[in-house]
Amino acid sequence: AQRVTQPEKLLSVFKGAPVELKCNYSYSGSPELFWYVQYSRQRLQLLLRHISRESIKGFTADLNKGETSFHLKKPFAQEEDSAMYYCALILNRDDKIIFGKGTRLHILP
Amino acid sequence: DVKVTQSSRYLVKRTGEKVFLECVQDMDHENMFWYRQDPGLGLRLIYFSYDVKMKEKGDIPEGYSVSREKKERFSLILESASTNQTSMYLCASSSGTAEQFFGPGTRLTVL
Repeated sequence: AQRVTQPEKLLSVFKGAPVELKCNYSYSGSPELFWYVQYSRQRLQLLLRHISRESIKGFTADLNKGETSFHLKKPFAQEEDSAMYYCALILNRDDKIIFGKGTRLHILP
Repeated sequence: DVKVTQSSRYLVKRTGEKVFLECVQDMDHENMFWYRQDPGLGLRLIYFSYDVKMKEKGDIPEGYSVSREKKERFSLILESASTNQTSMYLCASSSGTAEQFFGPGTRLTVL
């Protein structure tokens, strides 16, 4: 069965330290993966997708098919990065998305 | 800029009441979705729709129904609200790009 696993419910990181939010998936085909973010009192929104291979707000994520992972990374955490992050997998372009349970990132001053 | 709006930000209802949650999107998207968001459980898909008058069950459809009479509007219906349906409800839409656009959410409390 298709599944997205985010092993950490809460991650606390000091400002300026590196951040890595872990995401593993299970899917036998070619997945399309995303990271969504929800800042306090804001709506859930797309942060980045693996096919874009871009850096958004300093975050990057590389799809590792061998390890079935799509970890989100940022070299230097900022206080405004505090938010809820969801890793997501879509099987087909118009199909439903499978979300992980989310990781709350808390940046400590 | 895609706009997805939900009829209420906060809603308080009593057990047994019939509850309607409305979602409207203004970008002519074919696909619309209803999720509930609970701490520690993430987003769980309730129902989704690929076209007008079409609906598909998601992962947790029990106790819910939906209606899509117009392309831009997708309604979630709780036929007889129960306390375990107290949650944040999120509506989303998409159209062929795989990215889903979310509404601000409705926090429903069932007493």
